[in-house]
Amino acid sequence: ESVLTQSPGTLSLSPGERATLSCRASQRVSSRFLAWYQQKPGQAPRLLIYGASSRATGIPDRFSGSGSETDFTLTITRLEPEDFAVYYCQQYGSSPLTFGGGTKVEIK
Amino acid sequence: EEQLVESGGGLVQPGGSLRLSCAASGFSFSNYDMHWVRQSTGKGLEWVSTIGTLGDSYYPGSVVGRFTISREIATNSLYLQLNDLRAGDTAVYYCARARGSYRSGVYYGMDLWGQGTTVTVSS
Repeated sequence: ESVLTQSPGTLSLSPGERATLSCRASQRVSSRFLAWYQQKPGQAPRLLIYGASSRATGIPDRFSGSGSETDFTLTITRLEPEDFAVYYCQQYGSSPLTFGGGTKVEIK
Repeated sequence: EEQLVESGGGLVQPGGSLRLSCAASGFSFSNYDMHWVRQSTGKGLEWVSTIGTLGDSYYPGSVVGRFTISREIATNSLYLQLNDLRAGDTAVYYCARARGSYRSGVYYGMDLWGQGTTVTVSS
């Protein structure tokens, strides 16, 4: 099982700042099978990134993904008020499908 | 409008059963893998099951033998039969669609989610 560890657990930033979120896999994951999601309180998750770096439909270009093998990163270049949420990475390069534990981006 | 709507959640005693439904509309249901993902209060996301376009199904060890996923193409419906429920199964259950997986060599992520249905297992 590929365990995904996200860090930090909480990121306290101000609007306009840059956010860098990390996702580390316990086993190599092909970048083709790595996705990122955003979840706000009381809402379902929303797909942001698939294939480690491809933005999903309608996702603004301030969101970008990068990485390979065991280390992946989600970057939000300039935080907007609506970006404060919890972010999850997820892999489906092997079974079982797994999610990271999440990173909460909160307003400082 | 593409949409997924879950139903069937509720309060059930330990050891009991429940059947969740997910109604799909606005897209070609048969062309997508479908997943169930759950989330306990204040916790992260946990994969529960997947059914492929050919009806093949997959489960994590935590639910195998207790949960059964199925789909009915004619009515654009996805189901999850939950048996032998435990307190640890208490969660919001989401259905989600996706294209691809390790089996197909590419994965486009879960790009459409329902609003979730709540399952509470308690005596």
